[in-house]
Amino acid sequence: QQQVKQSPQSLIVQKGGISIINCAYENTAFDYFPWYQQFPGKGPALLIAIRPDVSEKKEGRFTISFNKSAKQFSLHIMDSQPGDSATYFCAASGSARQLTFGSGTQLTVLP
Amino acid sequence: DADVTQTPRNRITKTGKRIMLECSQTKGHDRMYWYRQDPGLGLRLIYYSFDVKDINKGEISDGYSVSRQAQAKFSLSLESAIPNQTALYFCATNQDGYGYTFGSGTRLTVV
Repeated sequence: QQQVKQSPQSLIVQKGGISIINCAYENTAFDYFPWYQQFPGKGPALLIAIRPDVSEKKEGRFTISFNKSAKQFSLHIMDSQPGDSATYFCAASGSARQLTFGSGTQLTVLP
Repeated sequence: DADVTQTPRNRITKTGKRIMLECSQTKGHDRMYWYRQDPGLGLRLIYYSFDVKDINKGEISDGYSVSRQAQAKFSLSLESAIPNQTALYFCATNQDGYGYTFGSGTRLTVV
């Protein structure tokens, strides 16, 4: 049972474009929603995170949009750059603070 | 030195062999985790430990065991490796349940 569903599986975007990755969760006890970025040969690294008391969080070119009623959240990468090419994972956790990850999105930004 | 060091980086082993993956961290954190990454499945939690005397099973613990030798060391063992345990394994640590720091991973192949 996959508690966090992520789409698309892969995404190709032109340099300067907007990359959008979506996630949906089932467990209403989740209260922390981070996004992780993973480059080949490396472990995932925390990119940005949101709590459900806000609908949006922005850090530089990266924005999380959160819709609590729909149990969905998304990552938007503005002005996408070739250096953003990586695998992105959404995740969620509840009070036990154990992360449940989505299946990952492989982003390719074309120069 | 990396905050979280995993050894070995790559390992090929035969079916039925016992193998140990090691993890050490210099963050001084109490919480340590072992995750498995498979294409299309994201990262799944195998075991986690909140301190030296606290070991807990995760989502997919069957066929695995762990040992927390010290605050900084957390090892994962496959008692009798099987081909479907071929995967990328990650160790992670955090202090408060939020910002996870991952190692660079161990790529394990069971033939």
